[in-house]
Amino acid sequence: IQLTQSPSSLSASVGDRVTITCRASQGISTFLAWYQQKPGRAPKLLIYAASTLQSGVPSRFSGSGSGTDFTLTISSLQPEDFATYYCQQVDNYPLTFGGGTKVEIK
Amino acid sequence: DVHLVQSGAELKKPGESLKISCKVSGDSFSNHYIGWVRQKPGNGLEWLAVIYPGDSETAYSPSVQGRVTISFDRSVTSVFLHWESLATSDSATYYCARWDYLGPGTQRYFNYWGQGTLVTVSS
Repeated sequence: IQLTQSPSSLSASVGDRVTITCRASQGISTFLAWYQQKPGRAPKLLIYAASTLQSGVPSRFSGSGSGTDFTLTISSLQPEDFATYYCQQVDNYPLTFGGGTKVEIK
Repeated sequence: DVHLVQSGAELKKPGESLKISCKVSGDSFSNHYIGWVRQKPGNGLEWLAVIYPGDSETAYSPSVQGRVTISFDRSVTSVFLHWESLATSDSATYYCARWDYLGPGTQRYFNYWGQGTLVTVSS
């Protein structure tokens, strides 16, 4: 199953609303996660089951979608949110990640 | 608290063998899947393999099937990734992560991560 993320990068300002999309090559129900990765650090799970916020993750992050089309939204971008975001499907093997979206400071 | 602590950076030559480790602490070792994820320099994340110490079940990505072996040692609560013969294309940072059910009716997700092991393969 291939996951296509868009955009591959974006520039935004603190306080902006940011939306990242992830499209699966076939239906995966809601078996999708979103991770945040900062340079030199391991990925961090933000959202699982497409829309469930992992414990400790700020509520400005939200996820939606099912089947083939998914969205990660950051409602009001904060300085610590500048990072790369990846979607991942866990519907079946091989587990796959999207290509990533780098969120940069405008 | 759950912690995954990985072995240190490695510099190897093509054709050499290598085994990197991931020590898991803080919870029942045998009851959780552990997986490996690769990140080549400047690139995205790629899932490689998972293992379930409870029954030794394994699964591999087709991209590495036959080239790497995932294993575990319950006595030291560690999971390993082994290459018999490295190639320059194996140069990457390797992360281990625990693959957990996070709620009823959900699938497993990579919830806890190690700090990463940088593997450099160069002649």
